[in-house]
Amino acid sequence: KAGVTQTPRYLIKTRGQQVTLSCSPISGHRSVSWYQQTPGQGLQFLFEYFSETQRNKGNFPGRFSGRQFSNSRSEMNVSTLELGDSALYLCASSLGSIPDTQYFGPGTRLTVL
Amino acid sequence: AQSVAQPEDQVNVAEGNPLTVKCTYSVSGNPYLFWYVQYPNRGLQFLLKYITGDNLVKGSYGFEAEFNKSQTSFHLKKPSALVSDSALYFCAVTRSGYSTLTFGKGTMLLVSP
Repeated sequence: KAGVTQTPRYLIKTRGQQVTLSCSPISGHRSVSWYQQTPGQGLQFLFEYFSETQRNKGNFPGRFSGRQFSNSRSEMNVSTLELGDSALYLCASSLGSIPDTQYFGPGTRLTVL
Repeated sequence: AQSVAQPEDQVNVAEGNPLTVKCTYSVSGNPYLFWYVQYPNRGLQFLLKYITGDNLVKGSYGFEAEFNKSQTSFHLKKPSALVSDSALYFCAVTRSGYSTLTFGKGTMLLVSP
C-alpha cells in the first residue's frame, strides 16, 4: 500500500502571501490530521478531518484552515504568511477510529521570507 | 488535558549497548501511548503503541517499550543499539474517546560506532 503523500515537498513564500498544502492519505484511511513542527515548539496539532468534517482543532489562529474532500484527500491553507509560519508541516492519516495509529507523510517544508 | 515529557534532549550510547529513551505522560483516563522515530528530512515513522494488555510492547526494528501505570512512564528500549538507530524519537499520548495525539519534545538518540 502506498504511504501518505504530501505535495509540494518544499515551498518558499514571502510574508503576506498565502499557501496551500496537499495531503493524500493511505488508501482506505478516512482521517487526516495536520501538525506543525518547529525547532522551538516541537510538534503542534493543527486540526483533524474525518469524513469531510473537522473533528478536532488545535490552538492556531484563523489564518490556518483546512478541508477534506470526498476521497479523503486534504488540503491546508495558510493566509497572510508570517515569518513564524516557517516550519515542517506534517500530515498523518488513520482509519478514523478513536483513537487510532496515525501514519505520517514526509512533510512539506515551508520557508517564509 | 494531556501531556508528555521526554526529560532527555539527547541520549548517547555505543553500538551494541542497550538503549533507553525515557517518556512520562499525564492524561485523564486510560492512556494510549505511541513511539515514533524521525530521520533527517523525513516524516515520522510509527514504531509501536500501547493500548491495553501486556505492559511490554514489541515494535519495529527490535524496539520495545514498557508501560508502567504507577510511574506513568512508557520508556523505549532496545537490547543492542545500531548506528542506524541514530534519529529523533518522539513519544505521544492520547486517551480513550479522543483522537488527537500530544507529542513530547523529542529525544535525539546518537549511537556511536
